[in-house]
Amino acid sequence: NAGVTQTPKFQVLKTGQSMTLQCAQDMNHNSMYWYRQDPGMGLRLIYYSASEGTTDKGEVPNGYNVSRLNKREFSLRLESAAPSQTSVYFCASSEHGQINQPQHFGDGTRLSIL
Amino acid sequence: DAKTTQPTSMDCAEGRAANLPCNHSTISGNEYVYWYRQIHSQGPQYIIHGLKNNETNEMASLIITEDRKSSTLILPHATLRDTAVYYCIVRARALHNNDMRFGAGTRLTVKP
Repeated sequence: NAGVTQTPKFQVLKTGQSMTLQCAQDMNHNSMYWYRQDPGMGLRLIYYSASEGTTDKGEVPNGYNVSRLNKREFSLRLESAAPSQTSVYFCASSEHGQINQPQHFGDGTRLSIL
Repeated sequence: DAKTTQPTSMDCAEGRAANLPCNHSTISGNEYVYWYRQIHSQGPQYIIHGLKNNETNEMASLIITEDRKSSTLILPHATLRDTAVYYCIVRARALHNNDMRFGAGTRLTVKP
């Protein structure tokens, strides 16, 4: 009963390096999301994918790109990491993205950029 | 989205019911009330949600007042593992579609 799985759990990068955060869900959900959580800021939506083949910007998309690889997988890429992107990143999924359908979250990737 | 107000922290004795209040006086008719919790170093965990009626599941009960301006999450028999930050979220169709706006939440500490 994995739910939403994120890899890696921890990562340290140097400024300017690139990396991809992976997310996969096994609940046959159509909609997937990427958030970041910073102290005192709550969760902020970076990008979302309402269904396979579509992606849209959220509240804080600058510096990130996403790929909805298939129905199960939604990846987040940092092309040139900056210290301001140090954060905890959460992936979530929901059945169809309707407001009466809950989002289910993974356990996060803790990313530090030096 | 309607703004929510929650106490910063609460304590509860193990085995007793934990009642977590939330005020959302500006809620609109089509907005849902959601509760999530976040245990240290884990992702947010969905607990329950509702629109108008009270709801119950295996984790908790959600009591929404008739005017929908406030709600209470009830954990009927709190255990030490229920120690977490609890978030009350009022959810509507936002500009950035489908985002969940988490506030500061209530830090619940369950004590032996």
